[in-house]
Amino acid sequence: SAVISQKPSRDICQRGTSLTIQCQVDSQVTMMFWYRQQPGQSLTLIATANQGSEATYESGFVIDKFPISRPNLTFSTLTVSNMSPEDSSIYLCSVDPGQGYGYTFGSGTRLTVV
Amino acid sequence: GENVEQHPSTLSVQEGDSAVIKCTYSDSASNYFPWYKQELGKRPQLIIDIRSNVGEKKDQRIAVTLNKTAKHFSLHITETQPEDSAVYFCAAYDYKLSFGAGTTVTVRA
Repeated sequence: SAVISQKPSRDICQRGTSLTIQCQVDSQVTMMFWYRQQPGQSLTLIATANQGSEATYESGFVIDKFPISRPNLTFSTLTVSNMSPEDSSIYLCSVDPGQGYGYTFGSGTRLTVV
Repeated sequence: GENVEQHPSTLSVQEGDSAVIKCTYSDSASNYFPWYKQELGKRPQLIIDIRSNVGEKKDQRIAVTLNKTAKHFSLHITETQPEDSAVYFCAAYDYKLSFGAGTTVTVRA
C-alpha cells in the first residue's frame, strides 16, 4: 500500500490566519482525499482531490475555506483559511490506490487555533 | 449519499472474551467494507476488509461478516487482549469511504 508523508504534524495558529497542510505520496494515485476528525469524533470527508481538475467538496465544506491543490499524482495541499477555534481538529489526507482496496491515511495534522 | 451506522459506541470486555461491533449501510452500490483501528493520537490503520462478493473473512483473531441483503456487516474479535483497546471504525466504499461513528473498545485485564 502507498506510503503518505503529511506535514506539519501539529501546529498552533492564531485565529484569522491560514495554514497549509501538505501530503506527499510515494506512488502515483488518481484519487486523494482530505478528512477532518474533530476530538472524539469520526472522520468526515472534506473533499476529493483529483489531479487536473477542481476538487469536489462535501456538503458543509467550501473552497473559500478549504482550498485544495493537486498539482500532480503524488502531491496535494489543503489550506485551512481564516481560522477560528472551531477549526481545531485533526486533518488527514488519504489515498485510494484503486476501488478502495488498501486505502491508507497520512499521519495527520493536529491543528489548534487560539 | 451513503450513511453508515455503527453500534455500540462503547464496548468494555474482559480480557479473553469476544467483542462484536455491528454496522449497517444504506447504499446498495457500496461494494467494499474496511475496518480501521485507531489508537490514541495515531492515524487509522486498516485491520481487515471484505468485498461485497464475500460473506466472511478471517485473519487470526479478527473476522468480518457481511450480509448484503440486510446491508449489515460486523467485526468480531476473539480472545481479546489489552492491546485491542482502541477506537474501531467501520466504513463503506462507493467511490469514496463513508465512516461509522466509531466504537471505543476497552479490554479489562
